[in-house]
Amino acid sequence: EIVLTQSPGILSVSPGERATLSCRASQTMSGNYLSWYQQKPGQAPRLLIYDASSRATGIPDRFSGSGSGTDFTLTISGLEPEDFAVYYCQQYAASPYSFGQGTKLEIK
Amino acid sequence: QVQLQESGPGLVKPSETLSLTCNVSGGSMSSSAYYWGWIRQSPGKGLEWIGSIYYSGSTYYNPSLKSRVTISGDASHNQFSLKLNSVTAADTAVYYCARQPMTMVRGATRMNWFDPWGQGTLVTVSS
Repeated sequence: EIVLTQSPGILSVSPGERATLSCRASQTMSGNYLSWYQQKPGQAPRLLIYDASSRATGIPDRFSGSGSGTDFTLTISGLEPEDFAVYYCQQYAASPYSFGQGTKLEIK
Repeated sequence: QVQLQESGPGLVKPSETLSLTCNVSGGSMSSSAYYWGWIRQSPGKGLEWIGSIYYSGSTYYNPSLKSRVTISGDASHNQFSLKLNSVTAADTAVYYCARQPMTMVRGATRMNWFDPWGQGTLVTVSS
């Protein structure tokens, strides 16, 4: 089973700044089968990035994903007030499909 | 665009069966382009994939839950269902349904990311 570890657990950043979130897999994932989701309180997760670096429909270009193998990154440039939320990575390289524990992005 | 909506009892007694339905609107469950999945979220275990179903009726389960889970589809009503038996307090969670795009890789289908998600429904296991 692939275990995803996200860091940091909590990230404090000022609006307008850049946030860098990390997701590390316990084993190499071929095909870059990794996605990122944003979740706000009381809401379902929303897809941001799939296949490690492809933005989902309607997602602003300030959100970008990168990485391969075991190390993946979600970068949010020019943070807007609505970007402060919890972010999860998820792998679909191998069953059982698993999620990271999340990074809470809070306003500094 | 496609929308998903979970429904079912919000309270289930220990040892009984949790039953939920996901209604799909704005799209067809009979499309070969998608899988349809269930995910749950609890404070203790975070987000956990439960299992998925393909339009053909093929099912795929998380091994950690496989002995207790059944996912079935009803194309005529454009909905799919989750049954989880012998529940305990550890099964208390928000349950989501979601769509998963299918891609072909080396002649075999594979399921991918989850998009979109239903709004989720809280199920509490308590006597």
